[in-house]
Amino acid sequence: EAQVTQNPRYLITVTGKKLTVTCSQNMNHEYMSWYRQDPGLGLRQIYYSMNVEVTDKGDVPEGYKVSRKEKRNFPLILESPSPNQTSLYFCASRSSGLYEQYFGPGTRLTVT
Amino acid sequence: RKEVEQDPGPFNVPEGATVAFNCTYSNSASQSFFWYRQDCRKEPKLLMSVYSSGNEDGRFTAQLNRASQYISLLIRDSKLSDSATYLCVVNKAGNTGKLIFGQGTTLQVKP
Repeated sequence: EAQVTQNPRYLITVTGKKLTVTCSQNMNHEYMSWYRQDPGLGLRQIYYSMNVEVTDKGDVPEGYKVSRKEKRNFPLILESPSPNQTSLYFCASRSSGLYEQYFGPGTRLTVT
Repeated sequence: RKEVEQDPGPFNVPEGATVAFNCTYSNSASQSFFWYRQDCRKEPKLLMSVYSSGNEDGRFTAQLNRASQYISLLIRDSKLSDSATYLCVVNKAGNTGKLIFGQGTTLQVKP
């Protein structure tokens, strides 16, 4: 089954404790993105990657890192999480040249 | 001004009603337009692309007005299962592949 998977689905952590949210897709998509979704603000892009070893900042990259060492994986790293990073996070992928994005099920992160 | 603007609603309608949502975008060079559907606490999923000539998929009709820079979504004969948030999505002109999402319009269909 074609899908985007994210782990963990739910995470409660404390300020400053490094964490990684994994994202994996099995559709051989070139393009992958991370978004955060907050009430009243909609989906905002954090980082995106157009292919292996090619990443770029989205609209709200501060406090986040990403890597794309393999085509299928695009982890999101929070080196020192803060409470303002409490949010619902979505990973998405798509094929280059097509705009339909496939989203993962989301990761609900709470930073206390 | 936001790049993509939608009325957040909620729109509360009875079953069987026809409801329309509009969305405006700020960059006249945008080329691709979409409606996504998002159920509560779930991931967004593509509902339909929006073509210049307008397009229909069952009870759903999407229209694009380039002159006024807005797109619309019309839902006929609303079902309870149509209750969701509808996201207007526009590609960012000049940036390959970047999509800008509106904050969404919430629809509640009541029995």
